Amino acid sequence: DTGVSQNPRHKITKRGQNVTFRCDPISEHNRLYWYRQTLGQGPEFLTYFQNEAQLEKSRLLSDRFSAERPKGSFSTLEIQRTEQGDSAMYLCASSRGRVSPNYGYTFGSGTRLTVV
Amino acid sequence: QQPVQSPQAVILREGEDAVINCSSSKALYSVHWYRQKHGEAPVFLMILLKGGEQKGHDKISASFNEKKQQSSLYLTASQLSYSGTYFCGTPTGNLIFGKGTKLSVKP
Repeated sequence: DTGVSQNPRHKITKRGQNVTFRCDPISEHNRLYWYRQTLGQGPEFLTYFQNEAQLEKSRLLSDRFSAERPKGSFSTLEIQRTEQGDSAMYLCASSRGRVSPNYGYTFGSGTRLTVV
Repeated sequence: QQPVQSPQAVILREGEDAVINCSSSKALYSVHWYRQKHGEAPVFLMILLKGGEQKGHDKISASFNEKKQQSSLYLTASQLSYSGTYFCGTPTGNLIFGKGTKLSVKP
């Protein structure tokens, strides 16, 4: 179990630029989630995948955000035309398909985005 | 619907106990608990799946009252390592987190 890996750890970008983040989940986990967290708040749900299928997308997610999970392995989250309000920690998590008594979500260390 | 956590913050001395509550306006079928230390990712603590279920992990335990749509996390004889922000999460296909309870344990 190598954990959930996210790259890059930090990203500083100018307003209006596009950015892409990558998440590599735990290999035997078929569910993958993206969350956004700002200072002093809980993680806010963005979207999730079951294998390669994107099953749910938050209504808070504008059209500038898109996520993919080709082949049901790693996932990418792209933000187009970034705005200062996009500055946040972007967390990826993975889990087994079923909630079981012993397993919850495993989070990666996150990608901190700063839009200047 | 985001679950509501209380209190927002707690300051304890080592060895003291604390209770963190999580309630929902919607029916709860299960509750997750996570702890996040400053600058780190949230770490899974436990899941409660059934009404009336209680679970413990070291000196941290939790209960789940399905009828009252709430769960409580109990931290007994707190240690410095318990400091962090505790989140409850309620699954609705994905996990919706509360705003968190910041716990500070002082020597």
